[in-house]
Amino acid sequence: EADIYQTPRYLVIGTGKKITLECSQTMGHDKMYWYQQDPGMELHLIHYSYGVNSTEKGDLSSESTVSRIRTEHFPLTLESARPSHTSQYLCASSEGRFTDTQYFGPGTRLTVL
Amino acid sequence: AQKVTQAQTEISVVEKEDVTLDCVYETRDTTYYLFWYKQPPSGELVFLIRRNSFDEQNEISGRYSWNFQKSTSSFNFTITASQVVDSAVYFCALSGDNNAGNMLTFGGGTRLMVKP
Repeated sequence: EADIYQTPRYLVIGTGKKITLECSQTMGHDKMYWYQQDPGMELHLIHYSYGVNSTEKGDLSSESTVSRIRTEHFPLTLESARPSHTSQYLCASSEGRFTDTQYFGPGTRLTVL
Repeated sequence: AQKVTQAQTEISVVEKEDVTLDCVYETRDTTYYLFWYKQPPSGELVFLIRRNSFDEQNEISGRYSWNFQKSTSSFNFTITASQVVDSAVYFCALSGDNNAGNMLTFGGGTRLMVKP
């Protein structure tokens, strides 16, 4: 089982602020993912990475950006937060083959006022 | 294209009842994997099980059991003698061999409420 961490767990912030959601994993997994989960429960993939210096957009268009400078670290940034960004953000990692299980972090619940 | 359908949006049972969560999938991949995750109120997704498309044996883990039937494209999850701690949202997911990015296709989730 992967150890994957997300900070902060909860964030309440005003419109227009820049925020970075942190995600780190200690298992050396190549692939990392960001999901957005709306209140209706559905999970949407917004970003993923195959490895260092690799970032791709997911199925759901997002105004956020990501970076992957180190294997263990995959932060997500919103340059200017808006109320429409209010959601739960979940980070995950896997070894990389399609057979591999994705392991999830505890999530960040973001509220933009 | 892949698709996972969890037709039951919400289920409510009384403690000690058995409950089955349905999952139906669609894929054109010959090799694929099916997953179940649990999301308790705290928010994290907890991995429960992974099955590959070549292994149709049912699996039991304590009070949990899974029934994989390729003929009906279903991967149902049964909780025996449910407990309040089983209250959570449960997600079924699918990953296939044509999916180079190891992307998971999730179902919409089933919210299970177990009442004392």
